[in-house]
Amino acid sequence: DVKVTQSSRYLVKRTGEKVFLECVQDMDHENMFWYRQDPGLGLRLIYFSYDVKMKEKGDIPEGYSVSREKKERFSLILESASTNQTSMYLCASSKGQGRSGANVLTFGAGSRLTVL
Amino acid sequence: AQKVTQAQTEISVVEKEDVTLDCVYETRDTTYYLFWYKQPPSGELVFLIRRNSFDEQNEISGRYSWNFQKSTSSFNFTITASQVVDSAVYFCALTPRDRGSTLGRLYFGRGTQLTVWP
Repeated sequence: DVKVTQSSRYLVKRTGEKVFLECVQDMDHENMFWYRQDPGLGLRLIYFSYDVKMKEKGDIPEGYSVSREKKERFSLILESASTNQTSMYLCASSKGQGRSGANVLTFGAGSRLTVL
Repeated sequence: AQKVTQAQTEISVVEKEDVTLDCVYETRDTTYYLFWYKQPPSGELVFLIRRNSFDEQNEISGRYSWNFQKSTSSFNFTITASQVVDSAVYFCALTPRDRGSTLGRLYFGRGTQLTVWP
């Protein structure tokens, strides 16, 4: 079964800590995305990547960075966690443009981060 | 600019009732895709449907049906004879496809929480 796997389902961190959220997909997808989900706000795009070592800012990139050193792995980094970054983080991937089924996102199960 | 509006934040129905989830979108692109995703309590979003902007045919899949109307920029989702397992958050989304658009990224609505009571 094809999958997007997020390394941690639940994390609790302290203010100021550096936080890594890891995401791995096994579908050979070109595109990968990090969304943040908050009650009443839906899904907001943080960063996305079309290819290895490429990254694009989404709508709310402040306070976050990403890394994509390998095609299958897309990491979200909180350099100095703050309480307002307490949220559910969702990773997703999709095929590149021109491929059959492009644009359909496959999501991971999410990582619920609490910053104290 | 791309925008998806789901005006219904929460809906409650009793099992076997029909329910329609509304989705209104805004885009200047002439070509785009529309989507519906389901997020059950487990948290993982599940893809339900993708519709091309050039294809206004309605679609039915079992108890699910979708009504796409470009004239009103709407892509509504109806569940017939709802069941408790339909309880979830449902998201409508849009991706632009015109040249110059950011291909591949989806713009989501805020979601509608559907609760089906036994």
